[in-house]
Amino acid sequence: QKEVEQNSGPLSVPEGAIASLNCTYSDRGSQSFFWYRQYSGKSPELIMSIYSNGDKEDGRFTAQLNKASQYVSLLIRDSQPSDSATYLCAVKRPTASKLTFGTGTRLQVTL
Amino acid sequence: GEEVAQTPKHLVRGEGQKAKLYCAPIKGHSYVFWYQQVLKNEFKFLISFQNENVFDETGMPKERFSAKCLPNSPCSLEIQATKLEDSAVYFCASSPTTEHTEAFFGQGTRLTVV
Repeated sequence: QKEVEQNSGPLSVPEGAIASLNCTYSDRGSQSFFWYRQYSGKSPELIMSIYSNGDKEDGRFTAQLNKASQYVSLLIRDSQPSDSATYLCAVKRPTASKLTFGTGTRLQVTL
Repeated sequence: GEEVAQTPKHLVRGEGQKAKLYCAPIKGHSYVFWYQQVLKNEFKFLISFQNENVFDETGMPKERFSAKCLPNSPCSLEIQATKLEDSAVYFCASSPTTEHTEAFFGQGTRLTVV
């Protein structure tokens, strides 16, 4: 079992719709959770970070964390073609420095 | 600087040659991380530094790979005697601390071993 699991996709949503990206993790000691967006050939760009159970909203993005169920999700409202990218979920233990990444979900927003 | 700067952007080496990659973290960030991305989306942690000191090297291959962060110099990742399987994009990231803080990535160095 991988430490961080994501559906590789592609997840295809029409422009204007809500895209829902999910991530599960196996290490119950994980305390910090991040969503990165990576365009093809580019570096990961931080989209959201979340540390407590519940929802965290930032513009069109909402991150949701449920530590009991060990999942993190990212909702993108009013999806735009420019949102088409690979979304990487990453988790971190409090005493560790490294991020552990999932393999990413490729999102395609269609016109 | 206000972004993580990695050089070079591209590096081509013949098998057996040495490769050296550089990373300047964001000014004020104490932690530097190196990751290897192969097959597009597989990120592998290599090593992290707290200032000049190795913080976590659990991901570093025992042979051929070494890294340093010296005062007043860019951090470096060196691969001796490169192999075809070392072909990947190597990302450097930095963060101010390790507790509840985000890591910011450089643009990466694409290493191609031929």
